[in-house]
Amino acid sequence: QSALTQPRSVSGSPGQSVTISCTGTSSDVGAYNYVSWYQQHPGKAPKLLIYDVSKRPSGVPDRFSGSKSGNTASLTISGLQAEDEADYYCCSYAGSYTYVFGTGTKVTVL
Amino acid sequence: EVQLLESGGGLVQRGGSLRLSCAASGFTFSSYAMSWVRQAPGKGLEWVSAISGSGGSTYYADSVKGRFTISRDNSKNTMYLQMNSLRGEDTAVYYCAKEGGAVAGVYYYYMDVWGKGTTVTVSS
Repeated sequence: QSALTQPRSVSGSPGQSVTISCTGTSSDVGAYNYVSWYQQHPGKAPKLLIYDVSKRPSGVPDRFSGSKSGNTASLTISGLQAEDEADYYCCSYAGSYTYVFGTGTKVTVL
Repeated sequence: EVQLLESGGGLVQRGGSLRLSCAASGFTFSSYAMSWVRQAPGKGLEWVSAISGSGGSTYYADSVKGRFTISRDNSKNTMYLQMNSLRGEDTAVYYCAKEGGAVAGVYYYYMDVWGKGTTVTVSS
């Protein structure tokens, strides 16, 4: 149950796009199409952004998109906005009703 | 409105015990599996434990197996986490989260509703 690997930080100017990678193994990310992404602002609870690799819950802007290739999943934020500055975590189902989260990425809007 | 409210956190000595509660409202509690997720100060999220809707099946991260026990009382719409033999590394904000559940025969493996969290501090 090792944490999935994410870059420590990414940054971009308003309007630009940024992509966050999430690398796991053939036992988690590579084994299931059950990758989810969460946004967390300081002092707040996480919020679901993406589930099943690329699906958005109602109310999440379409600026947020997800994808997966092999053992690596990715979250792309297009048209970066000031309110997107937050921490982002990927999460993968890892079998037997267990989950593993990523190490987290801080997104900075320049 | 769907809501989760954690309680029971506090300061406890190393080796001590604490029981967290998560009160749910706004949805059919017994229909959904629930999870506990924690976040150590300045660190990332860590899945801790999950329990099926009926309470008959429970699952744990290796880091807490044998020390923590998850349970639920569907008559009270409440989930619990009994934490024993606490260590310094258990210091964290503990969140309860509702899982996506099963819809039309498809199970959704994600956490779509989160509580605000309760803080557990283990002192030496």
